[in-house]
Amino acid sequence: AQSVAQPEDQVNVAEGNPLTVKCTYSVSGNPYLFWYVQYPNRGLQFLLKYITGDNLVKGSYGFEAEFNKSQTSFHLKKPSALVSDSALYFCASRSRLSASKIIFGSGTRLSIRP
Amino acid sequence: SQTIHQWPATLVQPVGSPLSLECTVEGTSNPNLYWYRQAAGRGLQLLFYSVGIGQISSEVPQNLSASRPQDRQFILSSKKLLLSDSGFYLCAWSVRAGVIRGEEQFFGPGTRLTVL
Repeated sequence: AQSVAQPEDQVNVAEGNPLTVKCTYSVSGNPYLFWYVQYPNRGLQFLLKYITGDNLVKGSYGFEAEFNKSQTSFHLKKPSALVSDSALYFCASRSRLSASKIIFGSGTRLSIRP
Repeated sequence: SQTIHQWPATLVQPVGSPLSLECTVEGTSNPNLYWYRQAAGRGLQLLFYSVGIGQISSEVPQNLSASRPQDRQFILSSKKLLLSDSGFYLCAWSVRAGVIRGEEQFFGPGTRLTVL
């Protein structure tokens, strides 16, 4: 079965420090990979995606993610965290072999302290 | 630009009452449409998706149903709500998958449903 794992329920980082939110996947073939962010009582917002090519993908709000095929990972990173980055982050994946469904991870709550 | 609307924003309903949540998309044609439920502010559960008018795929057995009467309209319904139906309901759309299927989904603002 295909799955996406976010091993950390919560990540706490001091403002100005680098942050990493982890994601690993188990999807047939080379998947498409996505990161979304959700602020309280709001819908999810798309941050970035990996389709093909350069393993380092840059997205919105200074976020980037690195696709690592050997480790089946797609960790989200930012060099310098802001308090406003505090939110719920979802990793997602879609197999190139299937039609319309994206599989979401369980989410990681990121908390940035001033 | 494309926008996605959901209403109502919040809803409080008694157990056993009917439900109708509506989602509409503007600025695009022939989208794929999705209904998700998010419980306790965490994981997303895909409920239904649709690749065209009248075409609905159900992901989990439940007392909910979905319909797509128009290309850009997606409706989530129930004849009798259960306590367990409480949650945050999200509608999403994506471009119809073509040769490259790496299309991201765009989410609506959500409907907070509380069943009492």
